[in-house]
Amino acid sequence: AQSVAQPEDQVNVAEGNPLTVKCTYSVSGNPYLFWYVQYPNRGLQFLLKYITGDNLVKGSYGFEAEFNKSQTSFHLKKPSALVSDSALYFCAVRDPGFNKFYFGSGTKLNVKP
Amino acid sequence: NAGVTQTPKFRVLKTGQSMTLLCAQDMNHEYMYWYRQDPGMGLRLIHYSVGEGTTAKGEVPDGYNVSRLKKQNFLLGLESAAPSQTSVYFCASSYELAGDTQYFGPGTRLTVL
Repeated sequence: AQSVAQPEDQVNVAEGNPLTVKCTYSVSGNPYLFWYVQYPNRGLQFLLKYITGDNLVKGSYGFEAEFNKSQTSFHLKKPSALVSDSALYFCAVRDPGFNKFYFGSGTKLNVKP
Repeated sequence: NAGVTQTPKFRVLKTGQSMTLLCAQDMNHEYMYWYRQDPGMGLRLIHYSVGEGTTAKGEVPDGYNVSRLKKQNFLLGLESAAPSQTSVYFCASSYELAGDTQYFGPGTRLTVL
């Protein structure tokens, strides 16, 4: 089955501390991987993606993600969290062999002052 | 550019009623998508289109129909609404299919009583 999993419903972190939001995937072939962020009552906004090349991908707002093929993971990271980073984060995967796009269930990030 | 817009923003239907959700994009994107977002389930693809005049089924197509008569518009129809279709619906578009960023509309919150 093609799928993507976000094992944590919620992540709590103090402002200024590093944050990690986890994502693992299960697809055949070489996946295309994405992170999106959703603020309350808004649509999703693109953060970053991995297609090929360097396993460490840098994106918007200081976020980065590391592709790990052996662990089939694509965790989102930021060295120093901001209160304004508080939002719902979605990992997504596309198997290039299929015209389908799979989203994880989302992780709510709470950054406390 | 307005990006991706959705009409209406909110709607309440009674079981058995019909309605059409309109999605419009002004980015000249070939690909358009309809998703539904339910708590704890992330986004699930309902239908998508790879170009004007084409549509294809996604992960959860039952109970929905779509049309792409013009490149910039993608319509989602509910012929006979059911309470299980209570959800937030998002439209998205992209220039390419496989590894491209999707741009999302603000969403339509639909309640079926």
